[in-house]
Amino acid sequence: DQQVKQNSPSLSVQEGRISILNCDYTNSMFDYFLWYKKYPAEGPTFLISISSIKDKNEDGRFTVFLNKSAKHLSLHIVPSQPGDSAVYFCAAWRTNFGNEKLTFGTGTRLTIIP
Amino acid sequence: DGGITQSPKYLFRKEGQNVTLSCEQNLNHDAMYWYRQDPGQGLRLIYYSQIVNDFQKGDIAEGYSVSREKKESFPLTVTSAQKNPTAFYLCATPSSGGAMTGELFFGEGSRLTVL
Repeated sequence: DQQVKQNSPSLSVQEGRISILNCDYTNSMFDYFLWYKKYPAEGPTFLISISSIKDKNEDGRFTVFLNKSAKHLSLHIVPSQPGDSAVYFCAAWRTNFGNEKLTFGTGTRLTIIP
Repeated sequence: DGGITQSPKYLFRKEGQNVTLSCEQNLNHDAMYWYRQDPGQGLRLIYYSQIVNDFQKGDIAEGYSVSREKKESFPLTVTSAQKNPTAFYLCATPSSGGAMTGELFFGEGSRLTVL
């Protein structure tokens, strides 16, 4: 059962425009939601996160929005740059007193067109 | 430098052979995780350990085994019972503070190919 879903396998965006990556989840017990960026043959790197009690978190060009009623979050990248081309994974974390684990979505490949 | 190291980066194995992937961290963190990445399937949790001498199965533990005899080491053995072992394997440990928020620090990964 896929608890974290990314329904768009790929996305292409013109350089300088906004990139919007989407993610849906099913488990309302998640405490944090995170976005990771991954290049081929490398480990993912943490990008930005949001607590389940917030609805927005911003870090430079990256903003994550959380809509708990819809169980939906999105990552906005403005403006998009060629170096942003990578696979982006949405992930969810539940603090569970010694049983914590990170659940990932299937990823969205973002391509920034110069 | 503090970090997490996986080895080998590339590994080839014949069918029926067991292989062990190494993961070492010098961040002095308790928790360590093993994930597997396949195209179109994201990262799936194999095993995780919250403390030395203890570990738990993740979502796809069948055909794998782990040990956690030392805090800094969490090796993963891919056994001959694993039906589709060809994949990219990733080890992780929480960043500082990440144990509460899910911010994990990943190694560079090990690509296993079964011939």
